[in-house]
Amino acid sequence: EAQVTQNPRYLITVTGKKLTVTCSQNMNHEYMSWYRQDPGLGLRQIYYSMNVEVTDKGDVPEGYKVSRKEKRNFPLILESPSPNQTSLYFCASSFSQGGHQPQHFGDGTRLSIL
Amino acid sequence: AQSVTQLGSHVSVSEGALVLLRCNYSSSVPPYLFWYVQYPNQGLQLLLKYTTGATLVKGINGFEAEFKKSETSFHLTKPSAHMSDAAEYFCALYNTNAGKSTFGDGTTLTVKP
Repeated sequence: EAQVTQNPRYLITVTGKKLTVTCSQNMNHEYMSWYRQDPGLGLRQIYYSMNVEVTDKGDVPEGYKVSRKEKRNFPLILESPSPNQTSLYFCASSFSQGGHQPQHFGDGTRLSIL
Repeated sequence: AQSVTQLGSHVSVSEGALVLLRCNYSSSVPPYLFWYVQYPNQGLQLLLKYTTGATLVKGINGFEAEFKKSETSFHLTKPSAHMSDAAEYFCALYNTNAGKSTFGDGTTLTVKP
């Protein structure tokens, strides 16, 4: 089954404790992206990757890191999480860099930073 | 800079009534536009997309949208609402030059029996 898998689905942690949210897709997609969803703000893009070893900042990259060492994986790293990073996070992937193809979304990761 | 504006954070219609969800965009290059739907506790699913060609695009579940360049709009419509259409809807723009995606703030659709 074609899918984007995020882990964990839920996480409660404390300020400053490094965490990683994994994202994996099995569709051989070139484009991958991370978003955060906050009430009234829609989805805001954090980082995206057009291909392996190529990553770029989205609209809200501060406090986050990503890497794209393999085509299928695109982990999101919070080196020193803070309460304002409490949010619902989505990973997405797309076959085409050109934007013709829609993005496939994971089921989301709900992070609570205390 | 590119932007997407969804007019109306909440829309309520009666079952069987017309659904109209508004989306306006701003882009310095020809946009690729999408509508996604999000059901509770789920990720986003594609409803329809506009890339090039025909400006009236049809999607799943009876939804359609029309790209109007002169009005910079991409409104989503459905002739007759079903209870199962209740969800949050997002309009999105993709900039092929930059690789960036921009989403609107979302519109929550409520369908009354």
